[in-house]
Amino acid sequence: DQQVKQNSPSLSVQEGRISILNCDYTNSMFDYFLWYKKYPAEGPTFLISISSIKDKNEDGRFTVFLNKSAKHLSLHIVPSQPGDSAVYFCAAFKGTGFQKLVFGTGTRLLVSP
Amino acid sequence: DAGVTQSPTHLIKTRGQHVTLRCSPISGHKSVSWYQQVLGQGPQFIFQYYEKEERGRGNFPDRFSARQFPNYSSELNVNALLLGDSALYLCASSLVRTDTQYFGPGTRLTVL
Repeated sequence: DQQVKQNSPSLSVQEGRISILNCDYTNSMFDYFLWYKKYPAEGPTFLISISSIKDKNEDGRFTVFLNKSAKHLSLHIVPSQPGDSAVYFCAAFKGTGFQKLVFGTGTRLLVSP
Repeated sequence: DAGVTQSPTHLIKTRGQHVTLRCSPISGHKSVSWYQQVLGQGPQFIFQYYEKEERGRGNFPDRFSARQFPNYSSELNVNALLLGDSALYLCASSLVRTDTQYFGPGTRLTVL
């Protein structure tokens, strides 16, 4: 039962353009959503999060959009840089009690110069 | 400030053996969570510990156990290793149990 889905295993973008990574979820009880970036041989690095009471959150070049009715969120990176090349994971959890992060399978982003 | 540290970096075991993985959280963080990441998948939640008590458990067999020490470091133990336990084991720490989790580099376990 895959509650968080990232249907695009990979994405290629040119430097300076926008990267859009998508994520769908099935559990309407999720309260918070996060994006992590992972380089090879490193642990996931927290990028940005959004609460279910918001529809947009920005942090520098990164913006996360949440569409609760569609159970869909997306991460926009503008402008994309070669250093952004990594695997991006979408994660979600219910805000009460302990924080059990439920991850998607990841999208590999390649930003070419 | 030091981030989350994990040891060892890599480990090779044979089926049926036991393994202990260690994690030191970011200074001041009281919650530690463990995740298993199999190749091609996202991390899967195993345990969360807060203030030295188990606060949450994922869908893993009883062969998996963990504990948290008074200094908030943690150990993950896996008994009777199976080939399917081969994975990257990630530790994450947070200030409190519902705060943003920050991950360590992981321990790569290979079971032969």
